[in-house]
Amino acid sequence: DTGVSQNPRHKITKRGQNVTFRCDPISEHNRLYWYRQTLGQGPEFLTYFQNEAQLEKSRLLSDRFSAERPKGSFSTLEIQRTEQGDSAMYLCASSAIAGRSRRQETQYFGPGTRLLVL
Amino acid sequence: GNSVTQMEGPVTLSEEAFLTINCTYTATGYPSLFWYVQYPGEGLQLLLKATKADDKGSNKGFEATYRKETTSFHLEKGSVQVSDSAVYFCAFLPTSGSRLTFGEGTQLTVNP
Repeated sequence: DTGVSQNPRHKITKRGQNVTFRCDPISEHNRLYWYRQTLGQGPEFLTYFQNEAQLEKSRLLSDRFSAERPKGSFSTLEIQRTEQGDSAMYLCASSAIAGRSRRQETQYFGPGTRLLVL
Repeated sequence: GNSVTQMEGPVTLSEEAFLTINCTYTATGYPSLFWYVQYPGEGLQLLLKATKADDKGSNKGFEATYRKETTSFHLEKGSVQVSDSAVYFCAFLPTSGSRLTFGEGTQLTVNP
């Protein structure tokens, strides 16, 4: 079990540029989540996938943000036309869920991608 | 709406002191409750969890008991170490829905 991995770990970009982050979940985890964490705050939910289907999106996810999980394995989060307010840590998590065992669901987090928009 | 309220930090303790970090939640039904820990520059690591009332989660000397009557899940450790210095987050997963709701985090510093 290699854990959730995220790339890159750090990204510095200029305002207006597009950025893309990648998340590789724990093998065979069918759910994948994206959260955003700003300095001094707890993570906030952005969106999640079950297999390749995007099942829920937060109102925090503006139309400049898009997430995909094309084959139900890794996922990408793209931010277009970045703004300084997008500067944050972007966290990915994965979980395994089957049938009615929701109560046992535990989300395991990756190390995060820290984005700085200048 | 759903929310988590954590004890404000920062908390500074001496090594071997007793730790309590308070956490209360507002949610309908019977959520699952979690404590995550975040070391500097890293992502969140699951510390412990409890999925039903009166369950006690424990790990690495940390404990928390799911108290439905007080909607609380306070984190305790009998004797903290310098290596416990980190930010601790309380979170819950609602009965319906899949998004974790987090508290704002409590910064713990343990001095030798």
